[in-house]
Amino acid sequence: SQQGEEDPQALSIQEGENATMNCSYKTSINNLQWYRQNSGRGLVHLILIRSNEREKHSGRLRVTLDTSKKSSSLLITASRAADTASYFCATPFGGNQFYFGTGTSLTVIP
Amino acid sequence: DTAVSQTPKYLVTQMGNDKSIKCEQNLGHDTMYWYKQDSKKFLKIMFSYNNKELIINETVPNRFSPKSPDKAHLNLHINSLELGDSAVYFCASSQDPRREETQYFGPGTRLLVL
Repeated sequence: SQQGEEDPQALSIQEGENATMNCSYKTSINNLQWYRQNSGRGLVHLILIRSNEREKHSGRLRVTLDTSKKSSSLLITASRAADTASYFCATPFGGNQFYFGTGTSLTVIP
Repeated sequence: DTAVSQTPKYLVTQMGNDKSIKCEQNLGHDTMYWYKQDSKKFLKIMFSYNNKELIINETVPNRFSPKSPDKAHLNLHINSLELGDSAVYFCASSQDPRREETQYFGPGTRLLVL
């Protein structure tokens, strides 16, 4: 299986704190993507990092990629209650398919 | 101006019935997908489809069949529904899957088979 796995499965933090979640995958990739899923909604793309990039920023999001370890991390700084959601990493496979991890459920307590 | 839309949002039906879920995207994308998300939030791809190629995940039962009347629509037809089919089904689209770019997801259809 080329499925990614997120760690931790669940994370609960206070508003204003930083949240870090990790993703591990199994095969070589061209890019890795992070998505957010709010309760009862579809997935929304957050950020894409390519295999030749080590770090990427988008607003309060910071993504790192370590291809030697086949792992990525997503850092959300200064978290807000609205960041409460599940976060998934996705890796492309076969040119037209994506494998999604099992997700990290983030709860930000106001 | 919804990018990817699905209908219905909720679907409750009896075991053995046949049902369809509709998906439309107005992004002009070439490729559309169907995913199944189980109760543990595990998201599994079922199909990817463009006007040239249908790729079926080998684990998907042949009771499931995608039907595409045109590039903007990819419907999912399910025959002889089973209890285990209960899940949330997501439609998605992307511009050029060969570039492995972003996917845009619909809001999901929550299917409950009784």
